[in-house]
Amino acid sequence: AQTVTQSQPEMSVQEAETVTLSCTYDTSESDYYLFWYKQPPSRQMILVIRQEAYKQQNATENRFSVNFQKAAKSFSLKISDSQLGDAAMYFCAYRSALNDNQGGKLIFGQGTELSVKP
Amino acid sequence: EAGVVQSPRYKIIEKKQPVAFWCNPISGHNTLYWYRQNLGQGPELLIRYENEEAVDDSQLPKDRFSAERLKGVDSTLKIQPAELGDSAVYLCASSPSRDRMFYEQYFGPGTRLTVT
Repeated sequence: AQTVTQSQPEMSVQEAETVTLSCTYDTSESDYYLFWYKQPPSRQMILVIRQEAYKQQNATENRFSVNFQKAAKSFSLKISDSQLGDAAMYFCAYRSALNDNQGGKLIFGQGTELSVKP
Repeated sequence: EAGVVQSPRYKIIEKKQPVAFWCNPISGHNTLYWYRQNLGQGPELLIRYENEEAVDDSQLPKDRFSAERLKGVDSTLKIQPAELGDSAVYLCASSPSRDRMFYEQYFGPGTRLTVT
C-alpha cells in the first residue's frame, strides 16, 4: 500500500521570503501522480501544483515549484515571495496512474500548517 | 462554472442519531468521491462512484455508513447510527470521466459533523 508522510506539522515564513515544505512517499509503482493541495480555514481543498512521475522536469506554477526526486521518493514544495494569503494547511497527495478500481483515489499526508508573518 | 456544492456546512447531532450529507458535483463530472477528514489529518477516501456505480467502497464502514448516487449526479452519504468517533469533516469531490489520462479532483467545502 502507498503511504505519504509530511514530517513538518507546522512551518512559519516571513512575508516575501521563501519556504519549503517536505513530503516523502512510499510506493512500488513506477507511474503515478503527486499533488500539493492547499486547505485554508474555509476547508475548500485547492490544487496548488501537480507532478507526473514520468516527467523528469519539476513542475512550476507561478510562485510555487516542486523538487521531485523519484529515486528518493521525495516531493517538496517551494513557495517563493510568500504572501499572507498563502497561510493555510498544505497537503501532499499521491495517486496511482493505474486505471483500475483503486485508481483515482488520492492518498494524503498528514498536512503542514503554514503561517506567514507580516 | 459552479463548483462542488455540499450541504449542510455544519451539523451537530447526538450519538445514535442518523445524519445525512448531500453533494452536487460539477456539471458533467462522472466521478464522485466522498472523503472523511479527521481533525489534524489528511482526507481519506470512503467511496468513489463512476456514474451510478460504486467502484471503490473498500474504506466505507458498511455497518453504519451508506451512500447512493441514484441518477449519476448528486449523492447522499448517510450515517446511522452516528458514534462519537464519526466527528470529522466530510468532503465531496468530483472529476471528469476517468477515460481522460489525467483528471483533477475538485473539492467541495465539506460538512463538519460533531457528534455529542
